[in-house]
Amino acid sequence: QVQLVQSGAGVKKPGASVKVSCKASGYTFTDYYIHWVRQAPGQGLEWMGWINPNSGGTNFAQKFQGRVTMTRDTSMRTVYMDLRSLRSNDTALYYCARGPYLAYWGQGILVTVPS
Amino acid sequence: QLVLTQSPSASASLGASVRLTCTLSNGHSSYAIAWHQQQPEKGPRYLMKVTSDGSYTKGDEIPDRFSAFSSGAERYLFISSVQSDDEADYYCQTWGSGTWVFGGGTKLTVL
Repeated sequence: QVQLVQSGAGVKKPGASVKVSCKASGYTFTDYYIHWVRQAPGQGLEWMGWINPNSGGTNFAQKFQGRVTMTRDTSMRTVYMDLRSLRSNDTALYYCARGPYLAYWGQGILVTVPS
Repeated sequence: QLVLTQSPSASASLGASVRLTCTLSNGHSSYAIAWHQQQPEKGPRYLMKVTSDGSYTKGDEIPDRFSAFSSGAERYLFISSVQSDDEADYYCQTWGSGTWVFGGGTKLTVL
C-alpha cells in the first residue's frame, strides 16, 4: 500500500535550518509529485510547494520562495524539504503528501522554533 | 486569484445529515477539488476528489456515508448518519497555475 514516512526535525534555534525527509513506498516514486504542507498550532493547512521526483523540478508558494529548498533522492525514494532562517512562527507540523489530490499523507513532523 | 471559501463552523446532530460547502473564486468554477478530514490531534486524511460535474472518487476505506456533489462554483461534501468520530475539521483543496490552495476549513461539531 502507498505510504509516506517522514523523519527529521525537532527543536531548532531561530535563524537555523531544518531538513525533513519523506520516504515513499507502494507506488512508482517518479509518477507523482510530492507536496509539502504545514500547519501551525491551532491553524489551518498551508501549502508550501511541490517537487517533481522525476525531474527534480520544484515550485514554491510565494511566501516561502528564497527560504525553502526541496530535493529528492530517487535511489532512496525520498524527498527532502529544507527550510532556512527559521523563526518562531515557523513552529508547525510539517506534512508531505502525494499529488495532485494529496490522496496520501505522511504522519507529520513537528518543528519547534522557540521565540 | 484562486481562492477557496469555507464556513468556519457547522454542526449536526448524531444520526442526522450535514452538508459542507466549499466555494471557488470567480473564474474558477470548472475546477475540481479534493476534500480532506482532520480529526482532533490527527493528521489530514483524504476523503475524495470532486469534479465540476459532481462526479467524485473516494479514497481508500472512506465510508459510504460520505458523498459529494457540485453546483456552479460550489463543491459540497455530504455526510449522512453523522457519527461522533465525524467531528473534525474539513478542508477543501484545489490547484491552478502550479499553485495549490486550501480553504480555511470547516469545524464540524457533532451534537
